Amino acid sequence: AQKITQTQPGMFVQEKEAVTLDCTYDTSDQSYGLFWYKQPSSGEMIFLIYQGSYDEQNATEGRYSLNFQKARKSANLVISASQLGDSAMYFCAMRGLIKAAGNKLTFGGGTRVLVKP
Amino acid sequence: DTEVTQTPKHLVMGMTNKKSLKCEQHMGHRAMYWYKQKAKKPPELMFVYSYEKLSINESVPSRFSPECPNSSLLNLHLHALQPEDSALYLCASSQERDTGITNTEAFFGQGTRLTVV
Repeated sequence: AQKITQTQPGMFVQEKEAVTLDCTYDTSDQSYGLFWYKQPSSGEMIFLIYQGSYDEQNATEGRYSLNFQKARKSANLVISASQLGDSAMYFCAMRGLIKAAGNKLTFGGGTRVLVKP
Repeated sequence: DTEVTQTPKHLVMGMTNKKSLKCEQHMGHRAMYWYKQKAKKPPELMFVYSYEKLSINESVPSRFSPECPNSSLLNLHLHALQPEDSALYLCASSQERDTGITNTEAFFGQGTRLTVV
């Protein structure tokens, strides 16, 4: 079984500052992937960044970076230079990577981010 | 083309109605998903199709009936729904790999906002 925990239900961040969104996980899978998605009020889930459990380096995608600490089972998202358009709900998710794990993508409870001008 | 298209965007239906939600992708993805999302909650997995075969059913009531007529289309047939079924229904797709490693992100549609009256 997999479990994702996001302990911050909501956060305010000043425009142009960085913000860290916490995500911890629990899984019995040896090989797994971690994902972050952004969901604006329109409803669409937008993929931001991916980290494989076997990746030695932390993933980065533009202003997004993932602080992956495997021993602590955490995969925090860092958004640098926040913009007003970053205001949205952010979900951490994970999936086992072996075929037997199927394609079940499990989500955490989400963190709502509001960027202040 | 990295789009997942869902129709309709909004749907209001009575408890005795029969309706269908449609999802289409042309990315060659062989895994497709239905998620249900209530307000301020994370998406909950309902069904997964892998190579047009149902691979995961998360104990969803039979009033929801999925169908995958081909590799590009996914339908969700609705019948005799209850008001508590009102939610955002999200479709997603991702690559499957015959090697057994599935480490690609899921692409989501914008969802169908369903209201049952």
